[in-house]
Amino acid sequence: KAGVTQTPRYLIKTRGQQVTLSCSPISGHRSVSWYQQTPGQGLQFLFEYFSETQRNKGNFPGRFSGRQFSNSRSEMNVSTLELGDSALYLCASSLAGYSNQPQHFGDGTRLSIL
Amino acid sequence: AQSVTQLGSHVSVSEGALVLLRCNYSSSVPPYLFWYVQYPNQGLQLLLKYTSAATLVKGINGFEAEFKKSETSFHLTKPSAHMSDAAEYFCAVSRSGGNEKLTFGTGTRLTIIP
Repeated sequence: KAGVTQTPRYLIKTRGQQVTLSCSPISGHRSVSWYQQTPGQGLQFLFEYFSETQRNKGNFPGRFSGRQFSNSRSEMNVSTLELGDSALYLCASSLAGYSNQPQHFGDGTRLSIL
Repeated sequence: AQSVTQLGSHVSVSEGALVLLRCNYSSSVPPYLFWYVQYPNQGLQLLLKYTSAATLVKGINGFEAEFKKSETSFHLTKPSAHMSDAAEYFCAVSRSGGNEKLTFGTGTRLTIIP
């Protein structure tokens, strides 16, 4: 069974640009969550999608947005990039997003802002 | 709100020695607890989870953890360290019931001394 796939693995952007990251969950998983990982702030929850609806949201500015498609694939968009957005962005999927269900993580997209 | 504290950002043990990584949680309701491991340039892999069944939980790669409500702890142990255990370990908590997000600790980097 294929795991969670994130593309691309690496991205380099400049300040002010926007970026879109993609996540394909494990087949049959309907919940997709996004996390940001930085050395200073650690792992922080961005948002969670289930059945094409955002169900949970972390404490990030509106420049961070996402969406989920009918096949459960998800995209995350960051607009007007800032230097502080440099991070590893991790996507995780679970069957239905219940808190007792383990989340399965992809290998992440490493975003570098110049 | 839930939170997790991991004592010791760096832990070094000799190969063959006991591994003990500490995790204390704070939660106003019964928690679900997880341990994840992250190898360089990879995402997070689930080691084990506690979801209110047995308090002693066995995971992959010989790891186990014990949920102690009186001490609000969920420490990770392995009887005999192997070189391949060198990685970063994250403890995470979510709230029982519903579809709560994961809240992670700051991580413990485990080094194995040959």
